[in-house]
Amino acid sequence: QVQLQESGPGLVKPSETLSLTCDVSTVSSISYYWSWIRKPPGKGLEWIGYIYYSGTTKYNPSLTGRVTISEDTSRKRFSLHLSSMTVADSATYFCARGTTSGGIIAPYFDYWGPGILVTVSS
Amino acid sequence: FDLTQPPSVSVSPGQTASIRCSGQNLGNKYVSWYQQKPGQSPVLLIYQDNRRPSGIPARFSGSNSGNTATLTISETQAMDEADYSCQAWDGSGASLGGASFGGGTRLTVL
Repeated sequence: QVQLQESGPGLVKPSETLSLTCDVSTVSSISYYWSWIRKPPGKGLEWIGYIYYSGTTKYNPSLTGRVTISEDTSRKRFSLHLSSMTVADSATYFCARGTTSGGIIAPYFDYWGPGILVTVSS
Repeated sequence: FDLTQPPSVSVSPGQTASIRCSGQNLGNKYVSWYQQKPGQSPVLLIYQDNRRPSGIPARFSGSNSGNTATLTISETQAMDEADYSCQAWDGSGASLGGASFGGGTRLTVL
């Protein structure tokens, strides 16, 4: 059973950078897409981005330029950095594992962390 | 790309609920479905259009064709009351782009 756990500040000031960490209970495999997803209050889920093998990353175009996802060398932790935070970035942030199977490269998110509520306020 | 879901669906206990997700040429993509209850993280219900992870009851099924993917919940129970979201990727394989989620559908079991 894979477990993921987010950690970081619950309150961020406008214009600051949010830094979140996701600890994974097993060593990261090259087969997975380690992802960040958020859910603003009253809205739907929004994919932020993923990090894959060899540090390959892909980000939501709406956040490009503000977002960076990185992986720890131990491959048991990956991080999210989101700069220039605004009130619109207030949300519950989830880390999740994207898995592929059957040779189909369209990951599905089979394990999620419990989520961390981040509020942007001065 | 945009995925559109109805904001809410209501169903009586024991009946069948259908939640639709629409997007341009969605039938050419692989769709996943997630269930989320208040205060909890999402749970994967369906992947690759119609596959169920272990532990997910057979009451949950999925289909995808044309511009619409459908999550079907048969013999709906009170415990199925939750938000349901569809998800798909732009591109696949070496051309994998970004992921999109539908806006979510609140299922009410009356």
